[in-house]
Amino acid sequence: GENVEQHPSTLSVQEGDSAVIKCTYSDSASNYFPWYKQELGKRPQLIIDIRSNVGEKKDQRIAVTLNKTAKHFSLHITETQPEDSAVYFCAASINGGGATNKLIFGTGTLLAVQP
Amino acid sequence: GAGVSQSPRYKVAKRGQDVALRCDPISGHVSLFWYQQALGQGPEFLTYFQNEAQLDKSGLPSDRFFAERPEGSVSTLKIQRTQQEDSAVYLCASSLAGGGGGTDTQYFGPGTRLTVL
Repeated sequence: GENVEQHPSTLSVQEGDSAVIKCTYSDSASNYFPWYKQELGKRPQLIIDIRSNVGEKKDQRIAVTLNKTAKHFSLHITETQPEDSAVYFCAASINGGGATNKLIFGTGTLLAVQP
Repeated sequence: GAGVSQSPRYKVAKRGQDVALRCDPISGHVSLFWYQQALGQGPEFLTYFQNEAQLDKSGLPSDRFFAERPEGSVSTLKIQRTQQEDSAVYLCASSLAGGGGGTDTQYFGPGTRLTVL
């Protein structure tokens, strides 16, 4: 079945620096890759997603890149702020064609932005 | 509008007790998912409904776990004879799409934290 690996498990950056989180997936049929932010004790919240027909997507300080050949996708946060501190999860799923659309999550990255 | 809601938010059960966890998805959402999140881990898929039909239950860890969505809206996850290893946060998510692509975004509820003593 699908497996998603995520690195690093923890990341500490200074406010204003950039942060990069990387994920790899195993199932080449995966075509939807969301990123969720989860603060302690809160629900996961979607921050950005990308589909397999696109190589890069950007939303203000957040960007995601996808390399289908290598089965890699990455989250980039620029100009980090203390409120970006949280656990970030990548996920992969197979959408459409009668698939379940279930999300397979990575193990998470704890991002700490130091003021 | 209202998001996905879950109740109770916290549940403490003694080993061997049965529990029922409720999920109210976003109105009109066709797809409903249950995930289990152990401490310090990512959510893991349990089961999937498209309207009232349970199309995938491959993630349910044992036959003690049972889920239903009889009218295609509210869903209940039931765990019978709870064990300590069932302690986790149980997350519900809903999406507008029904497996045919389109709007795939899954919106999560706040979760139910289950502690089995």
